[in-house]
Amino acid sequence: AQSVAQPEDQVNVAEGNPLTVKCTYSVSGNPYLFWYVQYPNRGLQFLLKYITGDNLVKGSYGFEAEFNKSQTSFHLKKPSALVSDSALYFCAVRDRDLDQAGTALIFGKGTTLSVSS
Amino acid sequence: NAGVTQTPKFQVLKTGQSMTLQCAQDMNHEYMSWYRQDPGMGLRLIHYSVGAGITDQGEVPNGYNVSRSTTEDFPLRLLSAAPSQTSVYFCASRPGQGLKGANVLTFGAGSRLTVL
Repeated sequence: AQSVAQPEDQVNVAEGNPLTVKCTYSVSGNPYLFWYVQYPNRGLQFLLKYITGDNLVKGSYGFEAEFNKSQTSFHLKKPSALVSDSALYFCAVRDRDLDQAGTALIFGKGTTLSVSS
Repeated sequence: NAGVTQTPKFQVLKTGQSMTLQCAQDMNHEYMSWYRQDPGMGLRLIHYSVGAGITDQGEVPNGYNVSRSTTEDFPLRLLSAAPSQTSVYFCASRPGQGLKGANVLTFGAGSRLTVL
C-alpha cells in the first residue's frame, strides 16, 4: 500500500534561515512525488514534482526537493525562508507502476511552516 | 479562465439533511476528484472520475455519491448528513494521462461543511 509520512506537525524557522520540511514515502513500485502548499482559507497549490531524472528538483517560489531512493525521502528545502512562506505544506505520492492511470494521489498529514521575522 | 470552482464555500446542515457540493472546471480536464481535509489527517480521497460517465470510489466513499454527466461538472452528494462528515471538501482536476500537465492537480478553494 502507498503511504506518506510527514514526521513534523510544525516547523519553526527564522526569516533568512534555511528551512527543511521532511517527507518519507512507501510504495511498491516507483514513485511520483509532489509537494503542495496551502495558504489559509485557500485550496492547495502545486509547488514541485519528481517524476524521473535528476534527483534534485526545483519548483515555485525558490523551493527545491531532493529525491533519495535509498532513504525513501523527498524533503522540501529552501535556502532562505521568508515570512510569506508560512503555510501548510503537503507531500504526496503516487505509485506509477501500480497506479498507471493516476487515480489515487496519497497525501501526507501536512506540516505547518511558521517563519518568524 | 476560472480553473476549478466550488460552491458553496460554507454550509451548515442538520443531521439527516441532504445536499450537493458543486464542482466545475473550465480546463477540459478528464480527471476530477473529491478530497476531504480533516485536522491531523491530511487529504483523503472520496471519489474520482477519469471521464464523463465514469466514476469510482476512493479511500473514504461511504455516505457520498457522485456522478459525471459532463466533462466540466463533478457534484458530490451527501444523502443523509452525519456529524462525522463535518470537514473541508476540495475538488481537484487534471488533464488525462499522457497529456501535458497530467500529473499535477488543480484544486478548488474548498467548501467548509458543518453538520450539527
